[in-house]
Amino acid sequence: AQSVTQLDSHVSVSEGTPVLLRCNYSSSYSPSLFWYVQHPNKGLQLLLKYTSAATLVKGINGFEAEFKKSETSFHLTKPSAHMSDAAEYFCVVRGGTSYGKLTFGQGTILTVHP
Amino acid sequence: DAEITQSPRHKITETGRQVTLACHQTWNHNNMFWYRQDLGHGLRLIHYSYGVQDTNKGEVSDGYSVSRSNTEDLPLTLESAASSQTSVYFCASSEKIAGANTEAFFGQGTRLTVV
Repeated sequence: AQSVTQLDSHVSVSEGTPVLLRCNYSSSYSPSLFWYVQHPNKGLQLLLKYTSAATLVKGINGFEAEFKKSETSFHLTKPSAHMSDAAEYFCVVRGGTSYGKLTFGQGTILTVHP
Repeated sequence: DAEITQSPRHKITETGRQVTLACHQTWNHNNMFWYRQDLGHGLRLIHYSYGVQDTNKGEVSDGYSVSRSNTEDLPLTLESAASSQTSVYFCASSEKIAGANTEAFFGQGTRLTVV
C-alpha cells in the first residue's frame, strides 16, 4: 500500500521569495516519486521525478526536490517564486514496479503575490 | 508529436443517462488510467488498464466501467449518471517498462456536470 500527504493545502509567497511545498509519502516498495503542476483549467504537467540516481532532483522552471528516505519526504523547492508559478501542485507516489498505480496527494495551491 | 486527447472537454447530462468519455493516446503506451478530480481529494483512481483486454477497478470505481479493445483507447462509461459524479475527469497513460520510473502523461480533462 502507498499514500501521500501534502502537508499544506495552501501556500502563499511573495514574488522573488523561496517556495517550499512539503510532501511525505508511505510505500511498501522502493517508491517512484513525482511532482506534477496544474495551472487553472489545464491538465497536469510533470515537474520532476525521482529516479534513484540522485537524491536531489532538478525539474523544469527552476524547481527542485530532495528525496530523504529517513524522513520519507520529497519536498519541492524553488529559490525565487515567479508570478507564473501560481498553480496547484501534486506530489505523487507509485509502488516499486512499472505496473504500479499512481497515488496522488491532495494538492497544494500556491499563490504568488506581487 | 505523440499526445493524449480527451473528448468532450465539457459535457452536461441528466441524472440516469449513460455517458461515455473518450480517451485516445498516440504514445503507444500499454498502461492507461482514469482519474476524477474533486476539491479536497486530489485525483482518485477510477479504473486502469495494463493492456488490451485488461481492465481493473480503482478506489472509486462504483458506477463506472471501462473497456480496452485496442492500445490507443480507453473509454470511460457512466452507466447511470448521478449528481455525485459531477467532476473533472482525467485520462492518463504511461509506458510499461520493468524497473523504470516512467511518468504518466495526462489529457486536458473533461468537465462533466450531472443535473
